[in-house]
Amino acid sequence: DIQMTQSPSSLSASVGDRVTITCRASQTISNYLNWYQQKPGKAPNLLIYAASSLQSGVPSRFSGSGSGTDFTLTISSLQPEDFATYYCQQSYTTPRTFGQGTKVEIK
Amino acid sequence: EVQLVESGGGLVKPGGSLRLSCAASGFTFRSYSMNWVRQAPGKGLEWVSSISSSSRYIYYADSLKGRFTISRDNPKNSLSLQMNSLRAEDTAVYYCARLEEVGASDYWGQGTLVTVSS
Repeated sequence: DIQMTQSPSSLSASVGDRVTITCRASQTISNYLNWYQQKPGKAPNLLIYAASSLQSGVPSRFSGSGSGTDFTLTISSLQPEDFATYYCQQSYTTPRTFGQGTKVEIK
Repeated sequence: EVQLVESGGGLVKPGGSLRLSCAASGFTFRSYSMNWVRQAPGKGLEWVSSISSSSRYIYYADSLKGRFTISRDNPKNSLSLQMNSLRAEDTAVYYCARLEEVGASDYWGQGTLVTVSS
């Protein structure tokens, strides 16, 4: 199975900060990497698919990059509604493994 | 508007069975692959199973070891997950989600809670 490792596991940031979350795959997955946001008690919400494509309706402050094994999710200017947990997931092969999540908290 | 509504969750004893359903609307269900993802209390997301649009391709997480069966009824716009031999570690919120072309889950249901406890 492909292991997905996110870092950091949690971070504290202020409104307006630039935030970067990384995701590393244990083997190459081309660009089959997706990012989700989840708020407490809610279903996950797709932010980025195919490593860098912004899902319809998602604010442009979210961006994704990377290919192969190393990927990043960047929030250019953190907003109050962005405090949540973020997950990466590979869709290169089954099982479609998720990272362990990164919790973004208010500083 | 795309909607996915799960049902069938509840409290079940270890070793018992449960069948989850997901009612889909607002899109051409027969054209999309679907999947189930679960989340144990306070834990991260875990992919469970996926099924192609025609049911030709079906995949499961290794940890399920043949206990779960995914199926779909395209005329009824419905996805199901039959769960047998349930264990305490199967306790989770179960989400159904639509799969788009590159395998991302672009729409999710609200989830249904399955609790396995004596």
